[in-house]
Amino acid sequence: GAVVSQHPSWVICKSGTSVKIECRSLDFQATTMFWYRQFPKQSLMLMATSNEGSKATYEQGVEKDKFLINHASLTLSTLTVTSAHPEDSSFYICSAVHSGRATEQFFGPGTRLTVL
Amino acid sequence: KQEVTQIPAALSVPEGENLVLNCSFTDSAIYNLQWFRQDPGKGLTSLLLIQSSQREQTSGRLNASLDKSSGRSTLYIAASQPGDSATYLCAVLDSSYKLIFGSGTRLLVRP
Repeated sequence: GAVVSQHPSWVICKSGTSVKIECRSLDFQATTMFWYRQFPKQSLMLMATSNEGSKATYEQGVEKDKFLINHASLTLSTLTVTSAHPEDSSFYICSAVHSGRATEQFFGPGTRLTVL
Repeated sequence: KQEVTQIPAALSVPEGENLVLNCSFTDSAIYNLQWFRQDPGKGLTSLLLIQSSQREQTSGRLNASLDKSSGRSTLYIAASQPGDSATYLCAVLDSSYKLIFGSGTRLLVRP
């Protein structure tokens, strides 16, 4: 149990376009999901906390208008990178918290975004 | 602000050697500490999770310890194998339920 999926697993887009990444909890309900970003040879940095039915909470330095997060259901959160630029190229990973187990996050496999 | 540090940044050992990876954190107010493995270009695989009230956890050849008062954790890998080559990440769940990651240790086990 506690499986999290992400789609797509990789995406290449042109500069200026928008890209949507989906994060789904497949076998449990997740009231909270997290979005992380990982640059090459660096660790994961928390971007935002996504709560079902409410606005996301963004970490300092993360532009909320550029990284749009929607958590419309208990099993799906989406991250949209708007007007993507090459510096947005990164590995984006989501995690989900099981409603009954708030202290453990289950991670998706990640999405590799390359902006040309 | 919680900070997590991992030492060494990289480690190369011959196959069969026992090894220890270190993790330290600045704020002892944590819910738990978790060790992950990450293969190149891949996501995270959870290895061990130690609750704040626990001292250690074991899984197969892996043993993780936690000394919350001193802000330290170690991951012990016994009889290392080439398949253990990966980046190992330590993360603590802080008092606001945020997972704070260290920068990782890149391990290479040479055949």
